[in-house]
Amino acid sequence: GAVVSQHPSRVICKSGTSVKIECRSLDFQATTMFWYRQFPKQSLMLMATSNEGSKATYEQGVEKDKFLINHASLTLSTLTVTSAHPEDSSFYICSARDGQGASTLHFGNGTRLTVT
Amino acid sequence: RKEVEQDPGPFNVPEGATVAFNCTYSNSASQSFFWYRQDCRKEPKLLMSVYSSGNEDGRFTAQLNRASQYISLLIRDSKLSDSATYLCVVNEWSGGSNYKLTFGKGTLLTVNP
Repeated sequence: GAVVSQHPSRVICKSGTSVKIECRSLDFQATTMFWYRQFPKQSLMLMATSNEGSKATYEQGVEKDKFLINHASLTLSTLTVTSAHPEDSSFYICSARDGQGASTLHFGNGTRLTVT
Repeated sequence: RKEVEQDPGPFNVPEGATVAFNCTYSNSASQSFFWYRQDCRKEPKLLMSVYSSGNEDGRFTAQLNRASQYISLLIRDSKLSDSATYLCVVNEWSGGSNYKLTFGKGTLLTVNP
């Protein structure tokens, strides 16, 4: 079945540094990828929709200059957390569709970011 | 009102018990509905879709009441391996070929031996 690969699975960084997270669709082309964030004991919150070849669409309250999204190819989207702070520590998950409807939505394994 | 609201839980049940999860959603234009399962520190995985006519997959039964904007999941004869967080998910069409999934906060289930 379709697989979405996300790297790194875990990262610890110092406050003020930037962290890049990669999301790859391994056996299908994904014109759209989604980035979610999940704080402990909270629901997954959609941060942005990444569109291949165009600008990402950010959800209300998500700073586009802080969370940079690049979707340069049909199989790769990256999320860069710039100038990370401890409050950015969270579980970040990407997902991609290989068709229509949520049953075709495949999630990456997630990245646990800890900012010290 | 939260877009997707679930039982706060957690639920602790013995093996073999029947457990029911409830969920309500606020957007009456929501298109489709799902239950996902999420294990601790893992990505969510699709458990089953929810159809208006109700649907069953083995020990799992899902139901949807569009008039009440209510979704349910019933697990019969629960197993230890059913222990996880169950997420109610609503899919909304947001234009063109775009859909947006909204996740509930999840309900933690622990099945005890």
